[in-house]
Amino acid sequence: RKEVEQDPGPFNVPEGATVAFNCTYSNSASQSFFWYRQDCRKEPKLLMSVYSSGNEDGRFTAQLNRASQYISLLIRDSKLSDSATYLCVVNRVRGADGLTFGKGTHLIIQP
Amino acid sequence: NAGVTQTPKFQVLKTGQSMTLQCAQDMNHEYMSWYRQDPGMGLRLIHYSVGAGITDQGEVPNGYNVSRSTTEDFPLRLLSAAPSQTSVYFCASRVRTGGYEQYFGPGTRLTVT
Repeated sequence: RKEVEQDPGPFNVPEGATVAFNCTYSNSASQSFFWYRQDCRKEPKLLMSVYSSGNEDGRFTAQLNRASQYISLLIRDSKLSDSATYLCVVNRVRGADGLTFGKGTHLIIQP
Repeated sequence: NAGVTQTPKFQVLKTGQSMTLQCAQDMNHEYMSWYRQDPGMGLRLIHYSVGAGITDQGEVPNGYNVSRSTTEDFPLRLLSAAPSQTSVYFCASRVRTGGYEQYFGPGTRLTVT
């Protein structure tokens, strides 16, 4: 099983809709989880951290399910500007390097 | 703060040439790293450093060297460029402990012919 797995998409979603995607991770000892956003031909940027109790930032909600080892991202009232690739990121337990990046889920919001 | 800066933005090399990709950060972050991003492969760690004078290999270190003489700078050297090294290279930095928010530079697009 890969360390971090995501559905690559693309997810084609009409503007205003709600979209959700998941990410699964293999190491049950992982402790820190994040969603990064990457626009086309740009660098990744932190979108939000994912806390055990779940967290919300405006239209974005992130949830963690430790029992099933997945995290999710929900985007409500999607905007054209939400079109991007969303990277799931999990901390590595072994080694000094911190993070393992998923390959990303490509989201396209259509007018 | 400029954050993480990278130069050059674009580079074309011929097979066998060598070059150095520059990376600098002004946030006093201990941890710096280099990734390459290829279509369908995601971000892969090349080398990283947890502080000045300390470097270590990531997943795909072959063909690359790094050094960290100062906290601010973390250059990546391609010793003898190969077409397989055609990629987008990102430098990143973060605090070493207590946080995992990683700040990325804008990337260098490298083509090796």
